Amino acid sequence: AQSVTQLGSHVSVSEGALVLLRCNYSSSVPPYLFWYVQYPNQGLQLLLKYTTGATLVKGINGFEAEFKKSETSFHLTKPSAHMSDAAEYFCAVSEDSGGYQKVTFGTGTKLQVIP
Amino acid sequence: DTAVSQTPKYLVTQMGNDKSIKCEQNLGHDTMYWYKQDSKKFLKIMFSYNNKELIINETVPNRFSPKSPDKAHLNLHINSLELGDSAVYFCASSQRGKASGELFFGEGSRLTVL
Repeated sequence: AQSVTQLGSHVSVSEGALVLLRCNYSSSVPPYLFWYVQYPNQGLQLLLKYTTGATLVKGINGFEAEFKKSETSFHLTKPSAHMSDAAEYFCAVSEDSGGYQKVTFGTGTKLQVIP
Repeated sequence: DTAVSQTPKYLVTQMGNDKSIKCEQNLGHDTMYWYKQDSKKFLKIMFSYNNKELIINETVPNRFSPKSPDKAHLNLHINSLELGDSAVYFCASSQRGKASGELFFGEGSRLTVL
């Protein structure tokens, strides 16, 4: 069974500093990996995804993530935090379940950006 | 034009009541989901339908009954509401075989049971 672990339920960074949100996964098959962002009182929206091919994937709002199979990790980074990045971030893994994709989410990391 | 829309956005009700949440998507997707997000932001899948057929049914009390009249709609009816049902319920959709499970979410329906 697949699972996702997000290290750190809260992360605080200063505006302009590097953002690093950690995600490790467990999957019995090559995974599809995602990062979603949830702003207050909104639904989740896709930041970026890894399916196959290039292990460094770029997403919206300057975020990127690198798939490292040997470390079973998919950490999310952004070189310079902006106040608007304050939100909840979810890592997710998708696995085939009887011909359908079943998505399992991590417990989320709340990013706080300090002015 | 909202891609995945849920109504109502907020429900406040008493224990023991019955309530429904409706969801519609205009993305042309064939698969729809209900997720529950608890107070700690943990997201858990409840149900998934593909072309009106139930394909995922996680361990959810049978007080929860989803209904999909067509592939663009997925409703959730909850009987005999309990305090522990208080949560935000998210509808989502995806296209089978495309984008590896990428989900498109509605804005959520916050249910408060008193």
